[in-house]
Amino acid sequence: NAGVTQTPKFQVLKTGQSMTLQCAQDMNHEYMSWYRQDPGMGLRLIHYSVGAGITDQGEVPNGYNVSRSTTEDFPLRLLSAAPSQTSVYFCASSRTGGKAFFGQGTRLTVV
Amino acid sequence: GENVEQHPSTLSVQEGDSAVIKCTYSDSASNYFPWYKQELGKRPQLIIDIRSNVGEKKDQRIAVTLNKTAKHFSLHITETQPEDSAVYFCAAPPSKIIFGSGTRLSIQP
Repeated sequence: NAGVTQTPKFQVLKTGQSMTLQCAQDMNHEYMSWYRQDPGMGLRLIHYSVGAGITDQGEVPNGYNVSRSTTEDFPLRLLSAAPSQTSVYFCASSRTGGKAFFGQGTRLTVV
Repeated sequence: GENVEQHPSTLSVQEGDSAVIKCTYSDSASNYFPWYKQELGKRPQLIIDIRSNVGEKKDQRIAVTLNKTAKHFSLHITETQPEDSAVYFCAAPPSKIIFGSGTRLSIQP
């Protein structure tokens, strides 16, 4: 039981490049979500999903896309990276209304 | 929409003293109230949680109290130790999980 697996751990992008952050969980959780955490700041919700085929926007969705084709996977796509997207990204999963398990985080730098 | 407010944003206490962090929420449908601890450079991890049919829950030096009428819940840490230094987050997820802004707790020797 690996929990929540998030890759990569570190990434440097040039402005305008696109990339996908991967997130997978093996706990059969319905709920999955993506957060960004800027230095000294809290966790801001980007997108979330309450089940396969269902996604919705969070607090800061602009510039990001998600999809949920399976229960296990919830990738986050940066369409055209901007310096303002430099942050640490966390994926999380939970049963609906239950404890959240976080991935290890991705430290993204956009230059 | 859902809103979770957390106070204070920073808290410094002497080792051995108690610390209290408070969260207020807006969604009456919330029925699960967790607290997460994030150490520097690490992922957040659950330290204690409470459901709406319970007023208080304790786990050794930490406790959570809930006042559903006033829509607030609090984290209490007693006999603080250096390893309690971290950022603490609350959440009140009826559906999507929105976190409070976090409290940076520093324990002074």
